[in-house]
Amino acid sequence: EAEVAQSPRYKITEKSQAVAFWCDPISGHATLYWYRQILGQGPELLVQFQDESVVDDSQLPKDRFSAERLKGVDSTLKIQPAELGDSAMYLCASSLAPGSDYGYTFGSGTRLTVV
Amino acid sequence: GDSVTQMEGPVTLSEEAFLTINCTYTATGYPSLFWYVQYPGEGLQLLLKATKADDKGSNKGFEATYRKETTSFHLEKGSVQVSDSAVYFCALIKTGNQFYFGTGTSLTVIP
Repeated sequence: EAEVAQSPRYKITEKSQAVAFWCDPISGHATLYWYRQILGQGPELLVQFQDESVVDDSQLPKDRFSAERLKGVDSTLKIQPAELGDSAMYLCASSLAPGSDYGYTFGSGTRLTVV
Repeated sequence: GDSVTQMEGPVTLSEEAFLTINCTYTATGYPSLFWYVQYPGEGLQLLLKATKADDKGSNKGFEATYRKETTSFHLEKGSVQVSDSAVYFCALIKTGNQFYFGTGTSLTVIP
């Protein structure tokens, strides 16, 4: 069964350092999402891509977070500088297209701890 | 705005007990409704979904019925197993939009 690949699985970084996460969606999936899940809460959308274009980044803290999907395939989410409050699980998901008729598949996530 | 409210946990049940996890939603239009499950240290896995009113989603013994009149999508299972221990998330999505997740309900099943 096809999977959404994310790396690393775990990352510990010091406050004020830069950190990056990588996501490789299922082949052919045009829509890609990054979600942040704080411990004890549900995931919240950070950014949505359609191919290489950002469709929604209204909840992305743009002063420190950036995301790209240069060739419309894999994607990178970066935080610089990291803050203690950024400690969370970062989940990537992909879909053939936006809309509830299409299946969404989530990756296993990257657990970030900022110390 | 759109939102999902689910019962707070944690929930602890004995094996073979009946499970209900309540979920209600607020949304304009006609959202699709989902239940996702998250095992420790893992990402989200789709458990079941329903795309229109009165639809029943089912998978692995779990069921949920899309009730538009009560704006609910309660998750049920007749006989839980230890392997069902996980966190369960109710979620909604409308075409072209993002998922809105509830805060999650932790389930522990004891032998």
